[in-house]
Amino acid sequence: DGGITQSPKYLFRKEGQNVTLSCEQNLNHDAMYWYRQDPGQGLRLIYYSQIVNDFQKGDIAEGYSVSREKKESFPLTVTSAQKNPTAFYLCASSIGRQLGNEKLFFGSGTQLSVL
Amino acid sequence: GEDVEQSLFLSVREGDSSVINCTYTDSSSTYLYWYKQEPGAGLQLLTYIFSNMDMKQDQRLTVLLNKKDKHLSLRIADTQTGDSAIYFCAESIRHSGSSNTGKLIFGQGTTLQVKP
Repeated sequence: DGGITQSPKYLFRKEGQNVTLSCEQNLNHDAMYWYRQDPGQGLRLIYYSQIVNDFQKGDIAEGYSVSREKKESFPLTVTSAQKNPTAFYLCASSIGRQLGNEKLFFGSGTQLSVL
Repeated sequence: GEDVEQSLFLSVREGDSSVINCTYTDSSSTYLYWYKQEPGAGLQLLTYIFSNMDMKQDQRLTVLLNKKDKHLSLRIADTQTGDSAIYFCAESIRHSGSSNTGKLIFGQGTTLQVKP
């Protein structure tokens, strides 16, 4: 079955620690995205990538980093510079980012909490 | 500006119709989407409408678009307890600096509670 897999489902971060969230897709989609979801708020875009070895900052990129070495994979690192990392993180993909072609397919999310 | 607004909560009885409303600000929106999120899960695309359409119906779902008022609604007929979830409205706008790249702006989500 095609889809997007995020792992782990739950993750705990200690003070000063970097943590990496995994996102893998087998939909052969070019574009991948990371969103952050806080209670009562809409999704906010952290980073996106339209093609392998290229990625762009979204609206709230500070304290986060990404890589796109393979088409299938788009891991997100939450660095110690992110002072308020507790949130639900969602990875998504789409065929492309062409206007009108932004139908997103989402993973099941990772809940990150600070110890 | 880029802003999408939704009311935060709606409660209905099983079997009634639910209407979830959304307003957006960018008049250049091309597509408008409705996503559903069940507890602890990712978002699932429910339906979408192109900005030159007024209405789209898909089984129990009806999307109405009033482009003049920048108002979008999702009507769920015969609401079931399995429809309890958070519903997100999203608009597609042109990404700044690009004529052909889209960007999605999401609302805060409306929590739909269906009482038996």
